Amino acid sequence: GAGVSQTPSNKVTEKGKYVELRCDPISGHTALYWYRQSLGQGPEFLIYFQGTGAADDSGLPNDRFFAVRPEGSVSTLKIQRTERGDSAVYLCASSLGLYGDTQYFGPGTRLTVL
Amino acid sequence: KQEVTQIPAALSVPEGENLVLNCSFTDSAIYNLQWFRQDPGKGLTSLLLIQSSQREQTSGRLNASLDKSSGRSTLYIAASQPGDSATYLCASGGATNKLIFGTGTLLAVQP
Repeated sequence: GAGVSQTPSNKVTEKGKYVELRCDPISGHTALYWYRQSLGQGPEFLIYFQGTGAADDSGLPNDRFFAVRPEGSVSTLKIQRTERGDSAVYLCASSLGLYGDTQYFGPGTRLTVL
Repeated sequence: KQEVTQIPAALSVPEGENLVLNCSFTDSAIYNLQWFRQDPGKGLTSLLLIQSSQREQTSGRLNASLDKSSGRSTLYIAASQPGDSATYLCASGGATNKLIFGTGTLLAVQP
C-alpha cells in the first residue's frame, strides 16, 4: 500500500517568506507527527496530532511555526517569516494511533532558506 | 529531560562480520525503544520496536535488546552485507508517543 508522502520534496525560499509543507499519512492512521532533522543530527520532535487535534505541540520552536490537520488526514506545517536557521529536512510520520505503535516516516521535505 | 546517545558515531566493517550498535538513554521511564535505518537523502525505515515490558526483538539478521534499568539498548546485525550500509538511529518513545532520537551511527560495510 501507499506510504507516507510529503510535498514538495525540496523547497528553496528567501529569508522572511512564508512556506507550507504538506504531509499525506498512510490511510487509516489517526496519529500524525512532524519532526525536523538538521545535518548530522537525529530528527527532533515538533508536533503530534491525534485525529484533528494537536495532542503535543511542545516541540514547536516558536510562534512562527504552526501546523494543522483539519480533517484528520492531510497535515500542513506552516512557517512564517522564515529564517536561515529553519533550513533542515522536515519529516512527517504516521501511525495507527495505538499507544506505543510503530511510526512510519515519509521521505521528507528539504527546506533551504537563503 | 530524556537524552539519547549513540556510540560509535561511525563504524566501518568488512562484509560478513557481526556487529553491535549501542544506544543509551538517561530516563529509564520509557514506553518503548525503536531502531530505524536511514539511507542518504531518504526518510526513516522502522527496523524493530521493543516495548518497555520486552527484553528483545528479532527480525531476520537483526536483534535488538533493551535493558531499562541500565538505560541501554543494542542492535546486533549478523553476517553484515554491503546493503546494510546506512545510518542507524535509535529513539525512545514516551508518554505522548513522541520519539527522542539519538544522533545515529553511520555504518559502512566494505565488500
